[in-house]
Amino acid sequence: ETGVTQSPTHLIKTRGQQVTLRCSSQSGHNTVSWYQQALGQGPQFIFQYYREEENGRGNFPPRFSGLQFPNYSSELNVNALELDDSALYLCASSLEGYEQYFGPGTRLTVT
Amino acid sequence: QQQVKQSPQSLIVQKGGISIINCAYENTAFDYFPWYQQFPGKGPALLIAIRPDVSEKKEGRFTISFNKSAKQFSLHIMDSQPGDSATYFCAASIGSHGSSNTGKLIFGQGTTLQVKP
Repeated sequence: ETGVTQSPTHLIKTRGQQVTLRCSSQSGHNTVSWYQQALGQGPQFIFQYYREEENGRGNFPPRFSGLQFPNYSSELNVNALELDDSALYLCASSLEGYEQYFGPGTRLTVT
Repeated sequence: QQQVKQSPQSLIVQKGGISIINCAYENTAFDYFPWYQQFPGKGPALLIAIRPDVSEKKEGRFTISFNKSAKQFSLHIMDSQPGDSATYFCAASIGSHGSSNTGKLIFGQGTTLQVKP
């Protein structure tokens, strides 16, 4: 059974640029949730995708958007990057939303 | 009302001792309470989880105690080992599938545990 994978591992972007992060869900899982974890903090919920539809969103602006594909993998897109977007971005996959298994994360640095 | 408050912020325990981390919540609609373990540079790993219809759940050295009336739950790590040194997060969510709240985990602030050999 393959776990949750994320790419890339690290990324450095300049303020104002756009970024796409990718996540492959665990085999058999149909739900992907994205979280932002600032240094020294708990993860904050960005949004969740269930069967290719957004199913809930946290307090993040519209420049944070996502997609889920038919194979249940997912992308997180962030436009107009700001310095405060620097964080570890985590995706978690689950079956129907309960037990969520996290990937290793993508460390995004915005300069 | 969506917050989960976790304490202590940091904890130092001797090898073989018991580590206890506490969490409190306000939203009585929460119906799923997991604990995660996170090592530096890694994603959180699901340790153990409980639903409010039971008061205790044990898996190996890890036990969750749940007090529904007090809206509190705690993680006990028995026989703590240096390899348990990590950051621990409690979380809560509402699991009514189909609602916009499904699977939205609300995390506590984290507890950094150091187990001294």
